[in-house]
Amino acid sequence: DGGITQSPKYLFRKEGQNVTLSCEQNLNHDAMYWYRQDPGQGLRLIYYSQIVNDFQKGDIAEGYSVSREKKESFPLTVTSAQKNPTAFYLCASSIKRRASAGELFFGEGSRLTVL
Amino acid sequence: GQQLNQSPQSMFIQEGEDVSMNCTSSSIFNTWLWYKQDPGEGPVLLIALYKAGELTSNGRLTAQFGITRKDSFLNISASIPSDVGIYFCAGQPSGGGADGLTFGKGTHLIIQP
Repeated sequence: DGGITQSPKYLFRKEGQNVTLSCEQNLNHDAMYWYRQDPGQGLRLIYYSQIVNDFQKGDIAEGYSVSREKKESFPLTVTSAQKNPTAFYLCASSIKRRASAGELFFGEGSRLTVL
Repeated sequence: GQQLNQSPQSMFIQEGEDVSMNCTSSSIFNTWLWYKQDPGEGPVLLIALYKAGELTSNGRLTAQFGITRKDSFLNISASIPSDVGIYFCAGQPSGGGADGLTFGKGTHLIIQP
């Protein structure tokens, strides 16, 4: 079945370590996104990519990095520069067609905890 | 950035009751979307609205795109236990892709047996 796969589901990190969250989709979607979710908050956009080898910063990109070498893959690295990295991270994709660009398909999320 | 006010923040209801929640914006949106998130999972799209005044149903769920284009409403009729979760509204301004999507903070629905 088509969908978005995020891994790992749970991740623990020591302060000062970089970690990379995986996101893979087989929906043939052009656009992919990373959101951060904190308790009681809406989703905040970290980075997005509308085409391979191109990506743009979202509202809270500081301390994060991404790559888009393949259409199917959009990994997120949480660097040691991110001051408060403990959160639930959600990857999403969408068809690039403007009319339905807001119709996002989400992965199951990755919960990162910094010890 | 744009702000979406979603209310109520949480709802405690009895099974079988109807539910209403809404989102308001200080600016005009061209698209309104409603998502549901189960605990520990990613959100799932429930309803997408593209036209002011549009009323769309998905089973027991009904959503409306406000005529002013600054608000949207979601109603759930005859709630059942699997309706538990967090409901998010999201709005998209004119001409934007999903990078311009703004999410509300969510309405946490809790159903008491």
